[in-house]
Amino acid sequence: DSGVTQTPKHLITATGQRVTLRCSPRSGDLSVYWYQQSLDQGLQFLIQYYNGEERAKGNILERFSAQQFPDLHSELNLSSLELGDSALYFCASRGQGRSEAFFGQGTRLTVV
Amino acid sequence: DQQVKQNSPSLSVQEGRISILNCDYTNSMFDYFLWYKKYPAEGPTFLISISSIKDKNEDGRFTVFLNKSAKHLSLHIVPSQPGDSAVYFCVAGYGGATNKLIFGTGTLLAVQP
Repeated sequence: DSGVTQTPKHLITATGQRVTLRCSPRSGDLSVYWYQQSLDQGLQFLIQYYNGEERAKGNILERFSAQQFPDLHSELNLSSLELGDSALYFCASRGQGRSEAFFGQGTRLTVV
Repeated sequence: DQQVKQNSPSLSVQEGRISILNCDYTNSMFDYFLWYKKYPAEGPTFLISISSIKDKNEDGRFTVFLNKSAKHLSLHIVPSQPGDSAVYFCVAGYGGATNKLIFGTGTLLAVQP
């Protein structure tokens, strides 16, 4: 158990819809990362938050947005969903001064 | 632009032998490197890391070597075990806790009994 909790584990939705993925980081970790993994490919970095502020952005679509709340949990919002958005979405958290990040089990999103 | 490259998509090794997974990177600004192991439908699990100021780090059966001049690192697993069969990701990062981690494309390791 990494200590990072992601909900829901599975999500099936229709094209054009909007969904919210939730991540609770490890206790005390201020950094939260979001990654997308499509079709057993590598993990594509989407966005990073540190203590509520956006710190780094990757290949995140404009239809996607995220935020980190005062209690440090984070949400990834995906809107106007397309079939190609079907993927595993991972959240990771990292502690201050640490090199390693710890990953949750992921949310599998299926767009039909 | 793929900053972290794992050119071998797969590797097959006999149980008890050495597994060597390779990784190349292009950005000389990376401060540290990590290896993660991933089973299907699970999140990546941290294995071992190395700072850019070192050339070797060892943890049990896992050793990571870094050659900064060649922008190359490798993960050695000795002896390899069937339970090591998974996808291995090479990851690079910048200093501090506020920057992104860049994943390579992964290498699928199969350890044959």
